[in-house]
Amino acid sequence: NAGVTQTPKFRVLKTGQSMTLLCAQDMNHEYMYWYRQDPGMGLRLIHYSVGEGTTAKGEVPDGYNVSRLKKQNFLLGLESAAPSQTSVYFCASLKGNQQFFGPGTRLTVL
Amino acid sequence: AQKITQTQPGMFVQEKEAVTLDCTYDTSDPSYGLFWYKQPSSGEMIFLIYQGSYDQQNATEGRYSLNFQKARKSANLVISASQLGDSAMYFCAMREGLQSSGDKLTFGTGTRLAVRP
Repeated sequence: NAGVTQTPKFRVLKTGQSMTLLCAQDMNHEYMYWYRQDPGMGLRLIHYSVGEGTTAKGEVPDGYNVSRLKKQNFLLGLESAAPSQTSVYFCASLKGNQQFFGPGTRLTVL
Repeated sequence: AQKITQTQPGMFVQEKEAVTLDCTYDTSDPSYGLFWYKQPSSGEMIFLIYQGSYDQQNATEGRYSLNFQKARKSANLVISASQLGDSAMYFCAMREGLQSSGDKLTFGTGTRLAVRP
């Protein structure tokens, strides 16, 4: 039981490049989330999903897209990366009252 | 208005002493939940404790307790008998509404706790 895993752990992009962050959970959880964490701030919700095939916008969705084709995977895409998207990205899944977080992906956009 | 406010950017505590981390929240929804997470320097988010708005008693989990004062809209975290390993960033978070609304969390800006030997 690996819990919530994120791929990759680190990435450096140039402005305008695209990439996809992968979140996987093996706990059969329905709800999954993508957050970003910036210095001096708490986590902010980008997008979330309440089940396979469904996604919804969070607090800061602009510049990101998501997909939940399989229950265990939640993908976060950046179509055209901008320096403002430099951040640490966390994925989480929900069971009961507790969100289980992945280890995070540190993304730098130059 | 901020939904979650943590007014202490940083705090120090002596090892083995108790410390209280402040959190106030703002919501008009009668159903909500309050959470505390710990983020050590390694970066992972660790769930500590949960309090539901309808819970009659304050939540406790080992050395962690949540001082829930509903009328004042505060949900302070109390750590008893501080240990060096408690040095970390602590985040308060809130879930508003029922689970059918997505169980989304709103986080505060965090308090960095340093435990002195």
